[in-house]
Amino acid sequence: GESVGLHLPTLSVQEGDNSIINCAYSNSASDYFIWYKQESGKGPQFIIDIRSNMDKRQGQRVTVLLNKTVKHLSLQIAATQPGDSAVYFCAEKEFGNEKLTFGTGTRLTIIP
Amino acid sequence: DAGVTQSPTHLIKTRGQQVTLRCSPKSGHDTVSWYQQALGQGPQFIFQYYEEEERQRGNFPDRFSGHQFPNYSSELNVNALLLGDSALYLCASSYGTTRERDEKLFFGSGTQLSVL
Repeated sequence: GESVGLHLPTLSVQEGDNSIINCAYSNSASDYFIWYKQESGKGPQFIIDIRSNMDKRQGQRVTVLLNKTVKHLSLQIAATQPGDSAVYFCAEKEFGNEKLTFGTGTRLTIIP
Repeated sequence: DAGVTQSPTHLIKTRGQQVTLRCSPKSGHDTVSWYQQALGQGPQFIFQYYEEEERQRGNFPDRFSGHQFPNYSSELNVNALLLGDSALYLCASSYGTTRERDEKLFFGSGTQLSVL
């Protein structure tokens, strides 16, 4: 079936550097994409979302890029801080479908 | 503004038993979705409730059932528990009328279910 996957299961970044987390999706009918951050013992926390009619969206210290041609999504975190350490999930949704399909996640570790 | 709240936070059951998990959506939200998250995996969609009815269901057996109340809160019931049902059960709420839809889901902290 359709799935959302991640290129790397773990990512270590120096504090202060920028982080880039990548995600590939396979459902060409997906029109909505969302990134979540999940800390240990907590539920997923919304970071940023983007619709398929956009290719870039910025938030506070975060940017999501969408490349529909190659079905690729990325999350950029600027000036990474220790509090950014968590597992990051991308998820996608098809119009008219209530289900969010999640990938397996990338663990981001910040090196002090 | 209260976010999504779930109870209990942890639960231990034995095989064959039944369990009920509870969720109160974020203030202003009318739609509740339930997800199962196995250790080291991404959440998997169980079902979604809107206007007290199951709007959509994922690939979960009939042992998984739910309910939504007039105040939009929801319950997830699992019958005849199996060892494989051990997971973090997440509730998410959103706002979704037929005229306006907000796709963003806001998650609770989950109920950690252990089946022995």
